[in-house]
Amino acid sequence: QKEVEQNSGPLSVPEGAIASLNCTYSDRGSQSFFWYRQYSGKSPELIMFIYSNGDKEDGRFTAQLNKASQYVSLLIRDSQPSDSATYLCAVCCYNTDKLIFGTGTRLQVFP
Amino acid sequence: GAVVSQHPSWVICKSGTSVKIECRSLDFQATTMFWYRQFPKQSLMLMATSNEGSKATYEQGVEKDKFLINHASLTLSTLTVTSAHPEDSSFYICSARDTAFYNSPLHFGNGTRLTVT
Repeated sequence: QKEVEQNSGPLSVPEGAIASLNCTYSDRGSQSFFWYRQYSGKSPELIMFIYSNGDKEDGRFTAQLNKASQYVSLLIRDSQPSDSATYLCAVCCYNTDKLIFGTGTRLQVFP
Repeated sequence: GAVVSQHPSWVICKSGTSVKIECRSLDFQATTMFWYRQFPKQSLMLMATSNEGSKATYEQGVEKDKFLINHASLTLSTLTVTSAHPEDSSFYICSARDTAFYNSPLHFGNGTRLTVT
C-alpha cells in the first residue's frame, strides 16, 4: 500500500513566522513531489513541485526533499493570514500520472 | 499555462436524475485526465483515470456503471453521475497534466459541487 502521511493539524503560527509542513511517503520509487494549497470549498492549487534532493525556493515558499529519509517538507516564510488553508502533499512514481495524496495539514496563521 | 476548466461549478438535482460534468484542458492536450471526489473535511479520493480514445480506469470501489466517463478528445473529458442519490452529493474535481512535458504537475479544475435532493 503506497501511502503519503501528513499531520492533520491544525498547525497554528503567528503572522510573520515560518510555517513548516511535513510529509513522509512509503514508496521509494517515487520521483516527483508536489505541494497543493486548498482553501475551504475550493479545489487544490499547485504551490510547489520538486524532483531532486535538496531545497527549491519560490518566493516565500521553500520545498525540501530528502529521498533517503522519504521526507518532503514545505516552509512558508513570513506567514500571512491569507496562507491559512489546507496543504496537501502529493507524490508520484516514475512515468505515471497517478498522484497519491496525503490527507492534508490545516494551517492557521493568526494576526 | 496549463489551465483546466470545469463546468458546471455547482449543480442541484433530484434523486434518480443524471448529471454531466465537463472537464477541459484549455491550453494543452491531455491524453489522461483524472476525476476526484472530496467529501467535507476529507481528502481527495481518486475515482477514475480517463483515457482519450479508450475506456476509463476506475479505482476500487467506484461503480463504473454509475460514474460514466467519456474522453472523446484530447481536451475534453466528461463524468456523468447516473441515477444520482443523496449520498452522491460531493465535490467533484477533475485534473490533468500537460503530457508534452516530462513530469509536469497536475492542475485542477475549479470543481463541481453536486447536491442531490
